[in-house]
Amino acid sequence: AQKVTQAQTEISVVEKEDVTLDCVYETRDTTYYLFWYKQPPSGELVFLIRRNSFDEQNEISGRYSWNFQKSTSSFNFTITASQVVDSAVYFCALKGDFGNEKLTFGTGTRLTIIP
Amino acid sequence: EAQVTQNPRYLITVTGKKLTVTCSQNMNHEYMSWYRQDPGLGLRQIYYSMNVEVTDKGDVPEGYKVSRKEKRNFPLILESPSPNQTSLYFCASSLSISSETGHEQFFGPGTRLTVL
Repeated sequence: AQKVTQAQTEISVVEKEDVTLDCVYETRDTTYYLFWYKQPPSGELVFLIRRNSFDEQNEISGRYSWNFQKSTSSFNFTITASQVVDSAVYFCALKGDFGNEKLTFGTGTRLTIIP
Repeated sequence: EAQVTQNPRYLITVTGKKLTVTCSQNMNHEYMSWYRQDPGLGLRQIYYSMNVEVTDKGDVPEGYKVSRKEKRNFPLILESPSPNQTSLYFCASSLSISSETGHEQFFGPGTRLTVL
């Protein structure tokens, strides 16, 4: 069985502060894929990033960065210099190897950026 | 425009009245899936389909049916809806399960269903 844990249910930070959203996963597959999705107040799900288990390089995209640590089964997401538009629910998700097509989501972290 | 569409976007119905939520994608994706989103539970997979005429259960399939007669369409059927199926439903698709880039799932806008 696979599992994704987002222990932070809600986070509030003041605009321009940095914030890190935690994601811890469990899987028996040796090859797997991790994702982050953003759900703004409008409700749609927006894909942010996919990371393969065999690529442990961290990634930066503008103010967003992701820290993949296989040793601790974590895939954390950091927003630098947060903005009000970053307010959303963020989901971490895990998909197993070929043949294991279930995409398992965490319960989400609601991020509120206070102006 | 490449997209996943769902209809209806909002639906209020009564217990026991059969309903269908349609899902269609125009990206020639092989893989399609349905999820429900409930507060505190995140998104949970209901059913998925790896190709035409191939469907399989996800984590919470009870009370739902699906069919995949054409590649682009993947309707979700509630034969006898009950109040515990009140939820926000998302359809998703991805290109191919065997492709490196095919693992990203594109989501529809969601269908908010209320069963009274």
